[in-house]
Amino acid sequence: DSGVTQTPKHLITATGQRVTLRCSPRSGDLSVYWYQQSLDQGLQFLIQYYNGEERAKGNILERFSAQQFPDLHSELNLSSLELGDSALYFCASSPPVGWALSTDTQYFGPGTRLTVL
Amino acid sequence: DAKTTQPPSMDCAEGRAANLPCNHSTISGNEYVYWYRQIHSQGPQYIIHGLKNNETNEMASLIITEDRKSSTLILPHATLRDTAVYYCIVSPAGSYQLTFGKGTKLSVIP
Repeated sequence: DSGVTQTPKHLITATGQRVTLRCSPRSGDLSVYWYQQSLDQGLQFLIQYYNGEERAKGNILERFSAQQFPDLHSELNLSSLELGDSALYFCASSPPVGWALSTDTQYFGPGTRLTVL
Repeated sequence: DAKTTQPPSMDCAEGRAANLPCNHSTISGNEYVYWYRQIHSQGPQYIIHGLKNNETNEMASLIITEDRKSSTLILPHATLRDTAVYYCIVSPAGSYQLTFGKGTKLSVIP
């Protein structure tokens, strides 16, 4: 158990719909990362937040957005869903090292499996 | 643009040491070598990381060659629970994102 929690575990929805995935980081961690893992693309970095602010962006589609709240939990919003968005979505967190920095040692949650029908 | 090269699969007998190689010939001076593993469809799990010295923790040992162009992850006594995909990642400190390749699928055989 990494200490990172994600809800829901499974989500089944239809094309065109919108869903929200939730992540609670480990206690004391300020950084939250989102990754997508699909069969054909492997694990891909989507976005990172540090203490409420967006820090880095990867291959995140414009239909996707995220935010980190004052209590440090994060949500990933996926809209206008397509069949190809079916994937495992992982959240990770990492502890702060020094001022406004994070290590690359990331602790991953169990993931949310999204199925778009 | 792959930064690391790993064999797609390896087998290891239970109880023996598993030695997983990784080639990172274009590694820069400020880049660390990280190893993560993913058991079935669980979230990836951090194993170990290093810059140029060999490292050991309760899970594994990391041996980095002197020229830093390759490394080996050693699981000293592999168990069936070590069956997983192992990812070798090079990343500069503070880069914030991990770039996962295809990894090595390690199968531990009874």
